[in-house]
Amino acid sequence: DTEVTQTPKHLVMGMTNKKSLKCEQHMGHRAMYWYKQKAKKPPELMFVYSYEKLSINESVPSRFSPECPNSSLLNLHLHALQPEDSALYLCASSQEGVGSTEAFFGQGTRLTVV
Amino acid sequence: KQEVTQIPAALSVPEGENLVLNCSFTDSAIYNLQWFRQDPGKGLTSLLLIQSSQREQTSGRLNASLDKSSGRSTLYIAASQPGDSATYLCAVRDNAGNMLTFGGGTRLMVKP
Repeated sequence: DTEVTQTPKHLVMGMTNKKSLKCEQHMGHRAMYWYKQKAKKPPELMFVYSYEKLSINESVPSRFSPECPNSSLLNLHLHALQPEDSALYLCASSQEGVGSTEAFFGQGTRLTVV
Repeated sequence: KQEVTQIPAALSVPEGENLVLNCSFTDSAIYNLQWFRQDPGKGLTSLLLIQSSQREQTSGRLNASLDKSSGRSTLYIAASQPGDSATYLCAVRDNAGNMLTFGGGTRLMVKP
């Protein structure tokens, strides 16, 4: 099973709403990632969790709040977003340490902020 | 800071052609390089992973090579098919840890 599952697939939210994106994997990967992708652009790294601890935050605004409740789950809490935050949000996972660190991506959540 | 460039940005070929996509990176201290495929509005599908100690990897009609010292990788697609139409992205993982840096992608269209 090399699947990373993201929910929801689509999300429309107002600028005053609070919502969460969810990501799940059962490959035993201990590194999990959030990426943001705008149309016709490559994915941009937002956060990296390693062994459930936040290891990289690419200067992401505080209106995005990541959470890793356990080794299989990764959440992205959204609050007071702006229309320019509309994008495809991708979750990925990989093994840690020596050996193959092939990254596997989910199908993404298409977020529209109105 | 690692920079990854993909050339060409877009490519249109007739069905059956063999083609080469290029990826270059500025810092040769990489852990591995990965090629992905992305269909419009979808997630990324891993195609091939090349470790820094390897020269190439093959999967079906796909062959990826890596020349770490010159900072280059190529993805060779044999006998292209319309179903190969997608955006192809390369990404390098640095030695320090979990940073995956992506190139801008090559948008491929294979015409029947």
